Amino acid sequence: GAVVSQHPSRVICKSGTSVKIECRSLDFQATTMFWYRQFPKQSLMLMATSNEGSKATYEQGVEKDKFLINHASLTLSTLTVTSAHPEDSSFYICSAGSTQGNEQFFGPGTRLTVL
Amino acid sequence: QKEVEQDPGPLSVPEGAIVSLNCTYSNSAFQYFMWYRQYSRKGPELLMYTYSSGNKEDGRFTAQVDKSSKYISLFIRDSQPSDSATYLCAISWNFNKFYFGSGTKLNVKP
Repeated sequence: GAVVSQHPSRVICKSGTSVKIECRSLDFQATTMFWYRQFPKQSLMLMATSNEGSKATYEQGVEKDKFLINHASLTLSTLTVTSAHPEDSSFYICSAGSTQGNEQFFGPGTRLTVL
Repeated sequence: QKEVEQDPGPLSVPEGAIVSLNCTYSNSAFQYFMWYRQYSRKGPELLMYTYSSGNKEDGRFTAQVDKSSKYISLFIRDSQPSDSATYLCAISWNFNKFYFGSGTKLNVKP
């Protein structure tokens, strides 16, 4: 199956700093990438959908100025958590949709801990 | 009302048992139904997806969709300790936006 990577896998930062998470589709072109957030023992919550070359579409309640998404190419999307606070600590997972549009492939996730 | 509901469990079964995992959904317009397996601290991996109604089998796994009842199921035969994970159902209209269940944690005891 298709491979999606995320970097870093784990990050610990101080409150007030910004953190960038990369999501790459390694062996296919992803027209659409999705960013999810998952709290412990809870399901995935879709944060935003990004299409290559255009602005991301954010879900209701997700602050677009806080969670900056850039989808610069068909293989790379980045999520930047700006001025992170402890309540932003979570597991962030990206997924990529193929150009055929019939499946989503998930990355391994990034665990963010804000002290 | 949430788009999809799933019993969080946990579900504990002995090795070799048949496992039944279920979700209900709210809107009959959904057409794609997926089951993902997620190990602790890992991203979800797709197990199976089904379009519209019916059954789909892959090895020890069978996915079943009953659109009249808005009910989807995943059956695992001859369950193994390596099947211990959280199982997430997901539904979609067009693969562009997924709605996930809360996940059922399964523990298969040797």
